[in-house]
Parts: sequence; C-alpha cells; structure tokens
Amino acid sequence: DGGITQSPKYLFRKEGQNVTLSCEQNLNHDAMYWYRQDPGQGLRLIYYSQIVNDFQKGDIAEGYSVSREKKESFPLTVTSAQKNPTAFYLCASSISRTTNTEAFFGQGTRLTVV
Amino acid sequence: DAKTTQPTSMDCAEGRAANLPCNHSTISGNEYVYWYRQIHSQGPQYIIHGLKNNETNEMASLIITEDRKSSTLILPHATLRDTAVYYCIVRVSNFGNEKLTFGTGTRLTIIP
Repeated sequence: DGGITQSPKYLFRKEGQNVTLSCEQNLNHDAMYWYRQDPGQGLRLIYYSQIVNDFQKGDIAEGYSVSREKKESFPLTVTSAQKNPTAFYLCASSISRTTNTEAFFGQGTRLTVV
Repeated sequence: DAKTTQPTSMDCAEGRAANLPCNHSTISGNEYVYWYRQIHSQGPQYIIHGLKNNETNEMASLIITEDRKSSTLILPHATLRDTAVYYCIVRVSNFGNEKLTFGTGTRLTIIP
C-alpha cells in the first residue's frame, strides 16, 4: 500500500543527545515536510524539501537538521541545540509539481527528552 | 497565506449534521480553502478543498460564500469517529513553493 511511514512511534532520549526521526514515503511525491506540534497547539513547520538534495528552513528550524538524499526519505535530526525538543513530530509529503494537491501525513513520532 | 479564524470548540449530536465555520476575510483571489482533521495522537487527514464553488466528496461538503470571506465544512451525518480537531487553511499552491500553515483549529466533539 502507498503511504508515508514514520518511525518509531515513541522515542525517549536523554538530554544532550542527538536523535534522528525517520520518514519514508512510497507515493513518489517530490515535496516532503517536517512539523512540530505541542499540546493544544497547531502545527509549526520545521523544514521542507521540494526536491532531492534541496531543502529550506521553515518557521522553527533552529536546533534541527535534515537531509534529502533520496526522494523517498526525509530524516529529521533533533540536535542538542534544540532547547525544548519534547514534542509530537509529524512528517508529510505532497506532489509539488501540480497545483491543488493535498498533503499526506504520517502517524507521527512522540519524542520525550528526559 | 491568509489567516483564518475558527471557533475553539463545538459539540454535535451523533447522526446530525456538523457545520464547522471558518472566517478568512483577507483571502486573495488565488488562494484555496483546505480542510484537514486530526484525530488524537494521529497525523492530520485531508478532507476537502475548494476555490469558489461548493465542493462535495465522500467525507464532507464545503460551502464557500460568494465573497469568499468565509466557508463552512459540513459533515452530513456525524459519527463518534468524527470527533477530532478540524483545521481550516487558506493557501496559494504555487509551482515549487508549496507549504501548509496550520492554526489551532476547532475541536469537534460528537455526543452520543
């Protein structure tokens, strides 16, 4: 089945450690996105990528890094520089080369830093 | 992208139509209205979108006013599984420049 997969669903890390969240899609979508969601709030854009080997900062990119070496994959690294990393992280993809297309979201990764 | 205003929360009886309003008074002529919903602890799910005509699909109907300054999402026969946060987004979908901006949405609770 086609879709977008995030793993793991729950992740625990010690403060000061870098951690990488996985996002894979088999929808052949050009565009991929990472969002952060805090309790009771909407989604905030961290990074997005329109094409392989290219990505742009979103609204809250500080303390995060990404790569887009393959069309199918857009991993997010939460670095030790991120001051408040505990949150729900959502990955999405969409066809960016046509208009009026919706985004498909993964089921999210809940990161807890202790 | 234009800002949207939605009520924080709404209740609806099971089996009745749920009508979720959204104000987007600063919408531009080339901006579309999109609706997504998010069930607790899951990723958002696309529902429907439109430009100026009313739209209907298997999930919902979207009614956009003639001046396009507001819209209403209609779930015709709400079920308990429709309990979720509903997001109204207006955006331009440009070639190579596409992103979504989510606000806090409307928390819809379906009452048995």
